[in-house]
Amino acid sequence: RKEVEQDPGPFNVPEGATVAFNCTYSNSASQSFFWYRQDCRKEPKLLMSVYSSGNEDGRFTAQLNRASQYISLLIRDSKLSDSATYLCVVNTYGQNFVFGPGTRLSVLP
Amino acid sequence: EAGVVQSPRYKIIEKKQPVAFWCNPISGHNTLYWYLQNLGQGPELLIRYENEEAVDDSQLPKDRFSAERLKGVDSTLKIQPAELGDSAVYLCASSASGGGNEQFFGPGTRLTVL
Repeated sequence: RKEVEQDPGPFNVPEGATVAFNCTYSNSASQSFFWYRQDCRKEPKLLMSVYSSGNEDGRFTAQLNRASQYISLLIRDSKLSDSATYLCVVNTYGQNFVFGPGTRLSVLP
Repeated sequence: EAGVVQSPRYKIIEKKQPVAFWCNPISGHNTLYWYLQNLGQGPELLIRYENEEAVDDSQLPKDRFSAERLKGVDSTLKIQPAELGDSAVYLCASSASGGGNEQFFGPGTRLTVL
C-alpha cells in the first residue's frame, strides 16, 4: 500500500459545480498535512495547510480526520482557473514530505 | 523576493552521458530537497539537506546519482551515466528549518534521455 493515496481522477466538472477530493495516508504518526496545486508543466504550489479543526479559504475547504487517516478538499463554485492537479501531502516532523499521486481536475465551460 | 532558481530548464542527452542540475534555494532556507517527478505522478524525494548535511538520501540511486551542497546554499544533482528511465522532471524545493514548513519549488528541469 502506498503511503499517501488519492482519488485516481480525472474529474471533469462544469463551471459552478462543487467537487471533493479524498486522500488517505498510512503513517499514523503523520503530523502536518497540505494540499498543493500543480498546473500543467509547472511546479507544485501550496494551496492550503490542513488543520485538525478543518479550515476554509474562500471557496476551498479542507478537512482532516486523524482517526480514519483521511484528508479531504472541497471546492465550491468551480472556476475554469481551478483546472489543475491537486496533490495531497503528508509530513511527519523531522522526516520527509510524502506526496500523493495527485488528482487532476478539469473545469469545463 | 526571488524564488527557487533551477537550471537548466530543459536538457536532452543521449543515454550513458552525464548530466548535472543546479539549484539555488530561497535565501535563508536551510532545508533543500531534490525530487523526481514522472508524468502523472507526485514528486518523489531523492535527497533532503539540512544546511550542508544530507539527512536523508535513502531514495537516491547512489550507483549513478550524486548530490552536493557544499556551502549549505546552492546544490547540484548529478547523474552519471544517464539511462532512458531517468527521463523525468527534477524538482528542487526549499523550506525554512523546523519541520512541516511550506516547501517552495523551483520550476524544475525536464530531462529527456534518448
